[in-house]
Amino acid sequence: SQTIHQWPATLVQPVGSPLSLECTVEGTSNPNLYWYRQAAGRGLQLLFYSVGIGQISSEVPQNLSASRPQDRQFILSSKKLLLSDSGFYLCAWSRFRGQGAEQFFGPGTRLTVL
Amino acid sequence: AQSVAQPEDQVNVAEGNPLTVKCTYSVSGNPYLFWYVQYPNRGLQFLLKYITGDNLVKGSYGFEAEFNKSQTSFHLKKPSALVSDSALYFCAVRPYQTGANNLFFGTGTRLTVIP
Repeated sequence: SQTIHQWPATLVQPVGSPLSLECTVEGTSNPNLYWYRQAAGRGLQLLFYSVGIGQISSEVPQNLSASRPQDRQFILSSKKLLLSDSGFYLCAWSRFRGQGAEQFFGPGTRLTVL
Repeated sequence: AQSVAQPEDQVNVAEGNPLTVKCTYSVSGNPYLFWYVQYPNRGLQFLLKYITGDNLVKGSYGFEAEFNKSQTSFHLKKPSALVSDSALYFCAVRPYQTGANNLFFGTGTRLTVIP
């Protein structure tokens, strides 16, 4: 069966510090991978998605970047965090083929920028 | 442009009563529709999806949803609510078009089942 991991689970960082959140998927190959941010326990905003190694699409211009160094690894980064980067960050995967494929979400990382 | 509307921020229902969480969508072409549930400080869990075929879709934990093309709706239902169903529910849509990888989520509906 497939599983998705995210770490860390919680993170408190000062403004201006760097960020690296990691997401890995097990039990599947060549997945589509996604990063979402959820603010205030409500709506999800798609930040990045990837259909393959080194292939990243950004949905909104922002202070963040993403990378996919390996097939099942997706990293969310920032060089300098802003207060507005606080939120709940969710990684998800779906099967590569099939528009009707559902996305499966990781447990999330709670980021607080002070 | 694609969008999803969940008109109710909060739904309260008594335990044992039927529940409905509403969702309407706007998308060009045929949609793929999804429901997810989120418990506090957790990731989203997939409940069910509509791709094609029968308009009534059955999913996990006794939930079902009915696709209504004329009303562009995909309401989530359960015949008898449990206290453990209390959570945040999200409807999502993906347009049926090549290269469309993204899910568009509604703003969520908080369901509270009262014992």
